[in-house]
Amino acid sequence: DQQVKQNSPSLSVQEGRISILNCDYTNSMFDYFLWYKKYPAEGPTFLISISSIKDKNEDGRFTVFLNKSAKHLSLHIVPSQPGDSAVYFCATITQGGSEKLVFGKGTKLTVNP
Amino acid sequence: GAGVSQTPSNKVTEKGKYVELRCDPISGHTALYWYRQSLGQGPEFLIYFQGTGAADDSGLPNDRFFAVRPEGSVSTLKIQRTERGDSAVYLCASSLFSYNEQFFGPGTRLTVL
Repeated sequence: DQQVKQNSPSLSVQEGRISILNCDYTNSMFDYFLWYKKYPAEGPTFLISISSIKDKNEDGRFTVFLNKSAKHLSLHIVPSQPGDSAVYFCATITQGGSEKLVFGKGTKLTVNP
Repeated sequence: GAGVSQTPSNKVTEKGKYVELRCDPISGHTALYWYRQSLGQGPEFLIYFQGTGAADDSGLPNDRFFAVRPEGSVSTLKIQRTERGDSAVYLCASSLFSYNEQFFGPGTRLTVL
């Protein structure tokens, strides 16, 4: 049973526009959320994170929004660039738990020039 | 090297054979994780080491899988009597102290024929 769900396997946007990637989770005990970016033949790289005590975290072109009541988070990339084309994974971890990351299936983002 | 390295990058083996996958974490990182990523899925947790000891091995699918980290640095994931269903990319990650910064290696692609 998927505890972290990314329901869109792929997303295509035009360069310069906004990319919005979505993620839903089932366990209200999850208290820290992360986004990882993965290029082919490379390992995932950390992008941005958010604690459950916040509802927004911004880092340059990347912003993550957290809606705890809906158990939903989203990653906004604006403006999108062709180099952002990659697979994006939503992940979560429970503070004080076993330190393991629980990942969604990923969304493949394609930014067209 | 500056990052997490994994060897080999690719491994092709026959059903029933034994394989070893190696991970060299970032120097000084005390925590080491193994994940497995099957086609179309996100990475799935296998085992977590804090120092030399396995702090959480709840993700190992069965007793054919075993991992060691004898000196608290390099780790080896060992798979006995490989099956075709073991085919996946095996990812290693390490972190210094905080659980939210796991740095991943490029992975080992295992193919069991």
